[in-house]
Order: sequence, then C-alpha cells, then structure tokens
Amino acid sequence: DTAVSQTPKYLVTQMGNDKSIKCEQNLGHDTMYWYKQDSKKFLKIMFSYNNKELIINETVPNRFSPKSPDKAHLNLHINSLELGDSAVYFCASSPSLPTEAFFGQGTRLTVV
Amino acid sequence: AQTVTQSQPEMSVQEAETVTLSCTYDTSESDYYLFWYKQPPSRQMILVIRQEAYKQQNATENRFSVNFQKAAKSFSLKISDSQLGDAAMYFCAYRSIIGNEKLTFGTGTRLTIIP
Repeated sequence: DTAVSQTPKYLVTQMGNDKSIKCEQNLGHDTMYWYKQDSKKFLKIMFSYNNKELIINETVPNRFSPKSPDKAHLNLHINSLELGDSAVYFCASSPSLPTEAFFGQGTRLTVV
Repeated sequence: AQTVTQSQPEMSVQEAETVTLSCTYDTSESDYYLFWYKQPPSRQMILVIRQEAYKQQNATENRFSVNFQKAAKSFSLKISDSQLGDAAMYFCAYRSIIGNEKLTFGTGTRLTIIP
C-alpha cells in the first residue's frame, strides 16, 4: 500500500493547456503539502493544507490552484501552463505533530 | 524566516569508506526538528534520519549518524561503510515545532560512490 500516491507520474503537455495532478494519502495525516522541485533540484513549498484548510500559500502564481476535497486528498490544478512550469511536483503529508513529511513519488511535468 | 545551507553541491567517496555531508541552518527558534532526506535517481524522497533539537544525543540509524551542534547551528550527516546504493541527492531540512509548519530544504548535495 502506497502511503502517499500521486497521479500521473509523468505529464507532457503543450503551453496554454490546463492540467491537474492528484494526490492521496492513506496515513491519516492532517496536513498535506505541494512542493516544486526545479531543474537544479531545489525543493520549494507551494501550498500547505490542514484538514482541508489552506495554511500556506507561498507566492505562487494564481494559475496554480490547490483543492482539498477531504483531508486525505490534495489536488493541484494548473491553468494556462507555461514553459517555466516544467518541474517535478511533490505531494507530501505529515501528522499535526511536527515530525517528518512523507512524500509521494513526484510528478514530472514537461511543458512543450 | 529559517534558511538551510548545504555548501557542498557534490561529494564523492570510495565504496566502504566514510563521508560527511555538511548542513548549517539559521533560526531564532529554540526548538525544532532537523532531517536528512535522500533522493535516489528514482526521484522518491526517503527519510534518512531525524533529530529533535531538544535532544542532546546525536541520532543514529544503522550506518547513518548525525553530528548536531545546536550552538553552531550545524547538522552534518555521516555515512559509514558507504555502499553503491547510497548514491543519491541528500537534502537537509528544517521544521519548526509549531504545528503545520513546512519543511525548509537546503539545496542538496549529490553523493557519488566510487566502486
């Protein structure tokens, strides 16, 4: 059983398209995150949700919209994709106690 | 805001030898968590080791151990008896004890194991 699962693992799309990445965790954690890893491998927080409520929104363009239908799911929708959006996007979850975060396998997004 | 610095973009070590990866951080908080994550070519982020700042004892997990120097804000990772499977990017990360806080990552160190 995968603890944090993301779909799809790979996504290739044209500029201007809209796409979504789905994330589900079966760990019972209250908090979920989206991180972006750029071509230099730098990991930066994008969003954090706690029990379906947005907690962190780190200066991400409005084209990115997270949606949390319940505390086990956090999806990421991206409108009007740009070349610069190409990256690996990681979903993660953690319990309310501040221990480590558990990561999904990442989604490699390529915008052409 | 907290920052995490990894000053070694790349390191290499002979198989079976020991290597130490450096990490420093900046914070005004007195209690927090520190982590080392490993990212092999498979892309998966894997927790290697965890250290609570209030604990003076350095964490150890099998061949992996840390040297936590709280006053110096230093958190280095030592890998003993390096194995080919240890080849990966290693990220140091900081997390506040305040609930729901994000992990702040360093820029990573790429570790190569020489057979």
